This record gives sequence, C-alpha cells and structure tokens, in this order.
Amino acid sequence: GAVVSQHPSRVICKSGTSVKIECRSLDFQATTMFWYRQFPKKSLMLMATSNEGSKATYEQGVEKDKFLINHASLTLSTLTVTSAHPEDSSFYICSAPLGYEQYFGPGTRLTVT
Amino acid sequence: AQSVTQLDSHVSVSEGTPVLLRCNYSSSYSPSLFWYVQHPNKGLQLLLKYTSAATLVKGINGFEAEFKKSETSFHLTKPSAHMSDAAEYFCVVSAPSGTYKYIFGTGTRLKVLA
Repeated sequence: GAVVSQHPSRVICKSGTSVKIECRSLDFQATTMFWYRQFPKKSLMLMATSNEGSKATYEQGVEKDKFLINHASLTLSTLTVTSAHPEDSSFYICSAPLGYEQYFGPGTRLTVT
Repeated sequence: AQSVTQLDSHVSVSEGTPVLLRCNYSSSYSPSLFWYVQHPNKGLQLLLKYTSAATLVKGINGFEAEFKKSETSFHLTKPSAHMSDAAEYFCVVSAPSGTYKYIFGTGTRLKVLA
C-alpha cells in the first residue's frame, strides 16, 4: 500500500531558531502534498498545498513567510518553520494523494521552548 | 462549498455496547467521504471510505458507515465496542475532483468504559 513518511517524528527547538520537517512518499510519486497542523485535542487544519515545480498554495491566515514549503521532487516536500516561537508548538501532519484518496504521514511533534 | 459536521465532540459507551458516531456533510455534488481514527500521539488511520459505490461501507475493526444522501449523513457504527476503540474519530469530505483537498470534521472523542 501507499506509504508516507515524516522526519523527524519529534523535535524540540529553541525559540527563534528554524526547524525543517520532511514528508516523503515512499512508493509513489506525488505532484501535490498537503500540510496540516493539529492543535491539542483539536481537528486538523489545512495549512498549505505543496506543488512540485511551483509555489505552494497557502490557506487563508497562514503566514507563508513563516511556514516555508518546498516541493523538491516528486517524492519529497519540506516544511520549514522559521523563527519558531512557543505558539508554533503543534503536531504537523503531511499527506499525499494517490487516486482519490490521501495517505497521511505519522506526524511530527514540534515543541518550541 | 463543502463542509462536514460531527454532531458530538465526546461519546462514551460501555465495552460490548454499540457505537454510533454521527457525521453530516454538505456538498454541492457527489462527495467522497471518509472516516479516520487517531489514537493518542499517533497519525491517522483510515477506517473506511465511500466513493459512490455501495451506500453501506464496511471498514476495518468491525466499523461500518452508511451513506444517506437524503439525510446528508455518513454515521459511523460498530455493533460492540472494545476498549481499544477509544480514540479520536474524524469524518472527512473530499473537495472537488482534481484538488484532492480534504475537509475535516472537528472530531469525536470516543471513550469506552469497562
């Protein structure tokens, strides 16, 4: 079956630093990937659509200069949280579509101290 | 525009009793609908999906859901709850074909009492 991986699974960083999260489709190609953010005990909020070969599309209210997305290849998208602050602490999940279904990564827990 | 509403934020059942998690959707065309489960600090696992085939959809772990167009509902059921079913459940509707976007419901936390 289709598998999507994320790395790292957990990261702690200091306030003001940047952190990069990788999302890979392991056995299929994805020209589009999605990044979600999940607050504690809340639903998933779509942040942006990552497009291979072009700029990402951000949802309303998401700061594109803070959450940099790069779709480097047909199997890799990265999310960089720049100048992280404690309020950026969250669970970040990516997904990639295959057919009409999306396959989700296991998530990355970001803690900013 | 599409939307999905999960009517209960929390549901508690006793082990061995039936489970009903309610979901209503709004869509201007025939949607694809999904139920996902998320255990604490874990990723999402697909339980089942409806994509315009049979209206009664069977999923993993004994779960099933029925698509009712007249009621715009896609409720999730299980005849007998197990302790391991305790988790967060999300109802999802897909966006127009070609965009692949998912729209998530707010989630229902299922608690199973011994």
